[in-house]
Amino acid sequence: SFELSQPPSVSVSPGQTANISCSADKLGSKYACWYQQRPGQSPLLVIYQDFRRPSGIPERFSGSLSGNTATLTISGTQPMDEADYYCQAWDSYTVVFGGGTKLTVL
Amino acid sequence: QVTLKESGPALVKRTQTLTLTCTFSGFSLSTSGMRVSWLRQPPGKALEWLARIDWDDDKYYRKSLKTRLTVSKDTSKNQVVLTMTNMDPVDTATYYCAHMNEELLIDYWGPGTLVTVSS
Repeated sequence: SFELSQPPSVSVSPGQTANISCSADKLGSKYACWYQQRPGQSPLLVIYQDFRRPSGIPERFSGSLSGNTATLTISGTQPMDEADYYCQAWDSYTVVFGGGTKLTVL
Repeated sequence: QVTLKESGPALVKRTQTLTLTCTFSGFSLSTSGMRVSWLRQPPGKALEWLARIDWDDDKYYRKSLKTRLTVSKDTSKNQVVLTMTNMDPVDTATYYCAHMNEELLIDYWGPGTLVTVSS
């Protein structure tokens, strides 16, 4: 079955760059999305089609895909970016999520 | 402006059937390309997609739960209903409905509703 793997946690200092990876077999032939979920809130789409940013999402959020690994990069990380981040892709009609990465800004 | 909101029981007993309603505004499920998905998130765990219904009434289900799930729509009421049979404590989760656009992106989410299954 198609599974997306993410590191459980990533830590970054304020103002530094955070990179969150997401890998899976054949991910390179699919589009990846990224969601931010702050505690107690619904997920928010921050990146789609590997690197596109929805309207209203700050430019410090960017995405990339290399081989079978998608990466969410947050440049100049702010305390408000502390959240869980989920990658997502499709396996046929099924929406598949990664296990999530807790980003700690300290 | 697209909004969605889930409603249903906060507590169900093991073996009972869960029925959740998603009431939405800002789009019509009779419009080509519109879709609504149901997802859930157990406490402290990852998101999990459950089911989807499209504007043309096509329906898709998570393979592992296919026998327990049914999704339907009432276009006139702007509502989508999810039923899940034979509930178990492991089904305790926050259940979300969400709008999917023409590119199958989940771009709007409801606030979610926590459903606890008692044994």
